[in-house]
Order: sequence, then structure tokens, then C-alpha cells
Amino acid sequence: AQSVTQLGSHVSVSEGALVLLRCNYSSSVPPYLFWYVQYPNQGLQLLLKYTTGATLVKGINGFEAEFKKSETSFHLTKPSAHMSDAAEYFCAVSDSGNTPLVFGKGTRLSVIA
Amino acid sequence: GAVVSQHPSWVICKSGTSVKIECRSLDFQATTMFWYRQFPKQSLMLMATSNEGSKATYEQGVEKDKFLINHASLTLSTLTVTSAHPEDSSFYICSARDPGGPNEQFFGPGTRLTVL
Repeated sequence: AQSVTQLGSHVSVSEGALVLLRCNYSSSVPPYLFWYVQYPNQGLQLLLKYTTGATLVKGINGFEAEFKKSETSFHLTKPSAHMSDAAEYFCAVSDSGNTPLVFGKGTRLSVIA
Repeated sequence: GAVVSQHPSWVICKSGTSVKIECRSLDFQATTMFWYRQFPKQSLMLMATSNEGSKATYEQGVEKDKFLINHASLTLSTLTVTSAHPEDSSFYICSARDPGGPNEQFFGPGTRLTVL
């Protein structure tokens, strides 16, 4: 069975500071890994994904994540936080593109001016 | 990217009534759609996998007689919450994958259900 652990239910950073949201997964097969962002009362928007190939994945809005198999991690980073980045972020795993996603509990990012 | 829509975006109903939520893939055909439920400030939990032309596959603990899923066409899946009660109030989100597209699922915008 697959699972996702997001360390820290709430992360607060200053505007312009580095954003680091942690995600660890467990999977018995090579995983597909995703990061989604959710704004209040809205659906999910895909930030980035890892399926195969390059382990450093760049996404939208300046976010990137690195797949580290040895650490079973897929942490999300952004060099400089913007006020508009304040939202809920979900890490998810699946074993293919056509199977349901297993989500982490989410991390709420607050950005302080 | 592919677009998935949901209707309605929000609904308020009285306890005991039934509510139907539609999930449509607008520019692709989806043989499989997924229904998730999200409680306030919590993560998404898979409720069921909706398969076109066959019965849905429900996750453990999800009442299939209460949450009726019908995937009548390649572009439409419906979730009907029967005899709704206040504890069914939640945010319901569907997703679908474009078989001819990238390996990712596209999510609908969600439906906020409030049962009074």
C-alpha cells in the first residue's frame, strides 16, 4: 500500500524567504509523485509531477521538487515566497497515471509580509 | 491541459433529500473517474472509482447505497448522495485522466454540499 507523510501541517515563512514543504512517501513500486495547491473553496491545481526521468522537476509559479529515491522524499521548494503562495499544499502518490491518488494530510503555507 | 467540470459548485439541501453532483470531462473521454471527499481543513479521501459502463468500486467504509455513482458515458460521472444528513456535508471533488494525454489526473473544481 502507498502512503504519504507531509511533515508540518502549517508552515509560515516571510515574504521573499525560502519555501520548503516536506513530503515522504512509501510505495512498493516506482512511484508517480505529485504536488497540488488548493486555494480556499477551490479544487486542486497541479504544481508539478514526477513520473520518470529527471529527478529535479520544475513546476509552475517558480516551484520545484526533487525526487530522492534513497530518502523516499519529494520535497517542494521555492526560492522566494510571495504573498500569493499562501494556500494549502498536498503531496500525492500513485503507482501509475490511471490509479487513484493517495494524498498526504496537507501543509498550510502562510506568507508573512 | 484537459478540463474537468463539476456541477453544481455548491448546493444546500434539507436533511433526507437526495443530491446529484455531476462530473464532466470537457475535452477528452475518461473511462475512469475518481470521487474524493474532503472535510474542512483535511486531506482528500478517495471514495470510489467510477468505471464507464460498469459498477463503481468503493473504498472500504464508503456506503455504496448512500453514495450512488453512475458513469453512463465516457464524459460524465454522477455522484448521488441519497437521504443526505448533516454529516454528509463536505467538499466533493472528482478527477479523471485523459488516456491520450500526460500521466496525470485532472481535478474538477469541487462541489460544496451543505445539509441542513
